Amino acid sequence: AQSVTQLDSQVPVFEEAPVELRCNYSSSVSVYLFWYVQYPNQGLQLLLKYLSGSTLVKGINGFEAEFNKSQTSFHLRKPSVHISDTAEYFCAVSPQGGSEKLVFGKGTKLTVNP
Amino acid sequence: DAGVIQSPRHEVTEMGQEVTLRCKPISGHDYLFWYRQTMMRGLELLIYFNNNVPIDDSGMPEDRFSAKMPNASFSTLKIQPSEPRDSAVYFCASSPSGELFFGEGSRLTVL
Repeated sequence: AQSVTQLDSQVPVFEEAPVELRCNYSSSVSVYLFWYVQYPNQGLQLLLKYLSGSTLVKGINGFEAEFNKSQTSFHLRKPSVHISDTAEYFCAVSPQGGSEKLVFGKGTKLTVNP
Repeated sequence: DAGVIQSPRHEVTEMGQEVTLRCKPISGHDYLFWYRQTMMRGLELLIYFNNNVPIDDSGMPEDRFSAKMPNASFSTLKIQPSEPRDSAVYFCASSPSGELFFGEGSRLTVL
């Protein structure tokens, strides 16, 4: 079985500052990894995903994440955040070649202050 | 495509009443998922279907919950009887494989 730990439940930052949202996973098999974003009163939408290949993955809205197999991490980064990035961010994992089920972390609430 | 469509967006009901939530997945997607989101538990997978067949319902909390997918373009999640602890946002998501596409959710309040 897979599990996901998002180490920070809330991250406040100032506008134009860099941000890193941390995600660690546990799995006995190879995995696919995802970051989703949820804006207030909306569903989740995909930011980026790692399936294979380059460990640095670029997504929408200037976000990127790096897959680190030895540390079982998939941290999300953005060099300069905007007010509009205020949202909740979810890390998720699924087994390669296995179930379609995604296991989600509990989410990190990112608040960007002016 | 219009995306995953859920109805109703908001539902307020009294304890003991039957609640039916509806979902229209994206055309051509083989997988359909029902999730529940609460502050305490985060996102929980309730059940998912592949080609209209339920594959895993281990997340369905109790016999009061049931889900159906009579055809490729429609699914329902029913709660009967409803209880205050069922208050949550219920999301439907569909997938061609791998990436999930979520609806905007149905916010259920049981008084």
